Amino acid sequence: DTAVSQTPKYLVTQMGNDKSIKCEQNLGHDTMYWYKQDSKKFLKIMFSYNNKELIINETVPNRFSPKSPDKAHLNLHINSLELGDSAVYFCASSPVPGNGNTEAFFGQGTRLTVV
Amino acid sequence: RKEVEQDPGPFNVPEGATVAFNCTYSNSASQSFFWYRQDCRKEPKLLMSVYSSGNEDGRFTAQLNRASQYISLLIRDSKLSDSATYLCVVNTGFQKLVFGTGTRLLVSP
Repeated sequence: DTAVSQTPKYLVTQMGNDKSIKCEQNLGHDTMYWYKQDSKKFLKIMFSYNNKELIINETVPNRFSPKSPDKAHLNLHINSLELGDSAVYFCASSPVPGNGNTEAFFGQGTRLTVV
Repeated sequence: RKEVEQDPGPFNVPEGATVAFNCTYSNSASQSFFWYRQDCRKEPKLLMSVYSSGNEDGRFTAQLNRASQYISLLIRDSKLSDSATYLCVVNTGFQKLVFGTGTRLLVSP
């Protein structure tokens, strides 16, 4: 069983379009994240949600809007796509760090290419 | 200064070699520390957590020095399958995991 699954795996779209990436985790974790990995392979946190509530928003443009319908899902909607949005987007989840253990489990990534 | 800094490498080593990676972090209030491994075009996966007392998992040894804000990873008897990018990860609080840029390791026959 896939622990953190995201769809689609690949997404090629034109500038100006609106697209969504879906993420689901079956680990029972309370916290979910979106990370962006750019062409230089740097993984940067975008958003963090805990039990459907936004915890972290790392100065991401308003064109990016996360939505968490329940704690097992965190979707990412992107409006008016730009060339610079091309990257790999990773969804991740982790348990509440009650014991300091905040290991994050990652989905396989969505490779977004804006043309 | 970046929150988590690593030497990007690549480190080219022969099979059987011992190799060490270092990482520094800027936030002294950081709470927990990890090494992740990322293979080409794959997602990052946890390699090991890092504790102040140091911890070992087979050929891998991780150390944390809170006073110097320094984390290390030692790999002994390198295998071809160890070739990957090793990511230093720091929990800076409020469930924020900050990744270093990664250190690329290439193990050759």
